Amino acid sequence: ETGVTQTPRHLVMGMTNKKSLKCEQHLGHNAMYWYKQSAKKPLELMFVYNFKEQTENNSVPSRFSPECPNSSHLFLHLHTLQPEDSALYLCASSQDQGQNTEAFFGQGTRLTVV
Amino acid sequence: SQKIEQNSEALNIQEGKTATLTCNYTNYSPAYLQWYRQDPGRGPVFLLLIRENEKEKRKERLKVTFDTTLKQSLFHITASQPADSATYLCAFNSGYALNFGKGTSLLVTP
Repeated sequence: ETGVTQTPRHLVMGMTNKKSLKCEQHLGHNAMYWYKQSAKKPLELMFVYNFKEQTENNSVPSRFSPECPNSSHLFLHLHTLQPEDSALYLCASSQDQGQNTEAFFGQGTRLTVV
Repeated sequence: SQKIEQNSEALNIQEGKTATLTCNYTNYSPAYLQWYRQDPGRGPVFLLLIRENEKEKRKERLKVTFDTTLKQSLFHITASQPADSATYLCAFNSGYALNFGKGTSLLVTP
């Protein structure tokens, strides 16, 4: 276990549904991230939070809405998604945003939009 | 924009041989470079970090080199085992988060 837990592990949702992904870290880290991983593509950074404040939004469509209520929890709220949003969504945390800081990833949520 | 390139084709090697994976980067000069392992359907796991002034870094059967002139890092697994089969990702932090390459898939056959 990496100390970063994501739920659910798998999610199938219709294009009109609203769902949320949850991430929790037990490492005392200050920075948390959402990444999207599609087949044949590198991990794409979506959002960055540092000390609960969003520090980066990587031009993500508004149908993805992040929430960080505290340093240990991160949510990704989903609504009116498209089939091309189907992917593995990964949450990560790190002690800080320094260049020499390693990231710890959760197991990911495999999302299928139908 | 910053770009990280890794061998797109899978690397197949025989058990016991040394696997060498390549990571090239452009339009950036990272002070640190990281390598991760990712198994199918799971999140990446950190393996090694190397600083720009370190020529190589070792951890058990793993060795990483970092050539800032060539803008390249090499990742070696010696005495490879079938359990080493996975995708290996190269990454660096460009100021606020890690940027990753696509990864190279390694298959070690008995």
